Amino acid sequence: RKEVEQDPGPFNVPEGATVAFNCTYSNSASQSFFWYRQDCRKEPKLLMSVYSSGNEDGRFTAQLNRASQYISLLIRDSKLSDSATYLCVVNSMGTDKLIFGTGTRLQVFP
Amino acid sequence: DARVTQTPRHKVTEMGQEVTMRCQPILGHNTVFWYRQTMMQGLELLAYFRNRAPLDDSGMPKDRFSAEMPDATLATLKIQPSEPRDSAVYFCASGEIPGTAKFFGPGTRLTVL
Repeated sequence: RKEVEQDPGPFNVPEGATVAFNCTYSNSASQSFFWYRQDCRKEPKLLMSVYSSGNEDGRFTAQLNRASQYISLLIRDSKLSDSATYLCVVNSMGTDKLIFGTGTRLQVFP
Repeated sequence: DARVTQTPRHKVTEMGQEVTMRCQPILGHNTVFWYRQTMMQGLELLAYFRNRAPLDDSGMPKDRFSAEMPDATLATLKIQPSEPRDSAVYFCASGEIPGTAKFFGPGTRLTVL
């Protein structure tokens, strides 16, 4: 079983839609959580960190459920420019290793 | 705007040749990571360094891969001899504080024929 699992998608949604991605992780000692975004043929870029109490950044909301070991990302009012692959990332306590999920592909259409 | 830089951006080589990839981390970042990305496996951690010391290279095939940090501004990843299955994008990333987000370079796209 992979340490971080995501639905690969693709999720095809119209502009203005709300879309949510989930991610599960297997190591209960994981301490830090992130969502990265990766555009085609580009490097992964930090979208947002995920905090225990949940956090919001504009149209993006991230949630963490430690008991069930999953992380979610909600995108409201989708834009064409949101089309990308969204990578769920965790790292374990005592290490500085970031473990990446394989990503969920989002395609927003007009 | 501080960035991680990587060279070369693209490399095409023949099986059996040596390949060296270079990375300049963001100034002041003391952890450096090498990742490999393929369609099948996604992003895999190959090795990482803190304060230039290798901390974990368990993800790296030891017989042909080696990673070093000759100084704080340069990390290298070497493959010798290269094989077609090494074809992938190799990313370098750096970070400042343990447990926080890391910043990626643009990657080296390697093709081994």
